[in-house]
Amino acid sequence: GIQVEQSPPDLILQEGANSTLRCNFSDSVNNLQWFHQNPWGQLINLFYIPSGTKQNGRLSATTVATERYSLLYISSSQTTDSGVYFCAVYNAGGTSYGKLTFGQGTILTVHP
Amino acid sequence: NAGVTQTPKFQVLKTGQSMTLQCAQDMNHNSMYWYRQDPGMGLRLIYYSASEGTTDKGEVPNGYNVSRLNKREFSLRLESAAPSQTSVYFCASSPTERGLYEQYFGPGTRLTVT
Repeated sequence: GIQVEQSPPDLILQEGANSTLRCNFSDSVNNLQWFHQNPWGQLINLFYIPSGTKQNGRLSATTVATERYSLLYISSSQTTDSGVYFCAVYNAGGTSYGKLTFGQGTILTVHP
Repeated sequence: NAGVTQTPKFQVLKTGQSMTLQCAQDMNHNSMYWYRQDPGMGLRLIYYSASEGTTDKGEVPNGYNVSRLNKREFSLRLESAAPSQTSVYFCASSPTERGLYEQYFGPGTRLTVT
């Protein structure tokens, strides 16, 4: 099946710093989503971005489907940005229809 | 508009006990999913329902059964709980199963099997 790799696995920042999280995937995808799992365990949808670039406030994401990667940018980070960031992809050619395959996540810690 | 709701939020079971996790969505979505998340890992698909009246196995279906009760509700049953089923369970829904739309997740159920 499709493989999803996220980097870095851990990231520690001071408040106000910028960061870039990367997601590589091994096959073509029809759907790519970025999630933020907050310290209470809730999964929050950040972006649905199978291709192109989107922005939402301090966050933006870019997916280059032809090169099989996506980037999540966090600018002017805040302590509330702490948590785990997951990339998940859907591959219509896979064996499990409707299945999102998740990466292992990037653990982000923002210190005040 | 509550989105995706799950009950209970927490549950402790003894090995061999059974229980049903409930999930409901109010977004008129056709497709619903059950995932599990183990420590330090992303989510893995247990079962999904592409539309009312259909269910299919995902990546890790062993030890679970599901019921798509109606368009709104999709339940997950553990017939004989095992410690390996200790996990956080997430329900999700999307307009269709074809990956053309976002999946939206519920708040999760934290299950411990002793």
